[in-house]
Amino acid sequence: QQQVKQSPQSLIVQKGGISIINCAYENTAFDYFPWYQQFPGKGPALLIAIRPDVSEKKEGRFTISFNKSAKQFSLHIMDSQPGDSATYFCAASYGNNFNKFYFGSGTKLNVKP
Amino acid sequence: NAGVTQTPKFQVLKTGQSMTLQCAQDMNHNSMYWYRQDPGMGLRLIYYSASEGTTDKGEVPNGYNVSRLNKREFSLRLESAAPSQTSVYFCASSVHPPWAGVGNEQYFGPGTRLTVT
Repeated sequence: QQQVKQSPQSLIVQKGGISIINCAYENTAFDYFPWYQQFPGKGPALLIAIRPDVSEKKEGRFTISFNKSAKQFSLHIMDSQPGDSATYFCAASYGNNFNKFYFGSGTKLNVKP
Repeated sequence: NAGVTQTPKFQVLKTGQSMTLQCAQDMNHNSMYWYRQDPGMGLRLIYYSASEGTTDKGEVPNGYNVSRLNKREFSLRLESAAPSQTSVYFCASSVHPPWAGVGNEQYFGPGTRLTVT
C-alpha cells in the first residue's frame, strides 16, 4: 500500500508552459513534504519542501501548493525549460518516526523545446 | 568536497553471491541512509544510521545488513543475493537525525546499479 500517491507517471510540456505534478497522502501525521528532482544517472536532490502550516511555498519558478483538508500537495513549475526535464518525486515524513518517510512513485517530466 | 560517494557504480551478481556496497560522505553529516529504487516504486528506505554507532531498519530491510564503520562511512551488505534485489541503490546523508523535527535535507550519492541473475 503506497502511503504517497503521485500522478501523473509521465508528463510532456512545451517550453514556457506550466508543469503540474500532484501527490496525495492518507496519514495525517505527516508533517514534512519535500520534492526531489532526479536527472538520469544521478541521485535525487532536494528541490523544495513545505510544512503543513503554510498553503504555498515558492522558490524561483518552483511552487508547492498544499491543501491540508484534501491531503494533497502539488508541484508547479512555471515557465518550464528543457533543463527541467527530469524525474520528480514527492515525499512525506513525520519527525518522530523516520520509518514513516515515504516517497511517491515518481513523475518523468519531458519539456519539449 | 565530493559530497556522497558510492562504489561500485555497477555490479552483476549471481544468485547466492554476497557483496558489500560502500558509501562515504565528507560533509560531516551525522545521519546516513540506504535506499533502493525500483521502477514505479519510488525510493524505499532499507536501513538508516541516525548517528555513528547506531543503525535501524527502514521499510524494506530483509536480505540486507549494514555497518556504520565511522562517521563518514556506511556500508550495505547483501549476504546471499536474490533476483528480487536487482535495483538501483542510493546512499544518502543528512546533518540532523531523522527525528530532529526540522527540514531534514538528505544529500544523495550517484547510485549503484545492481543486477542479480
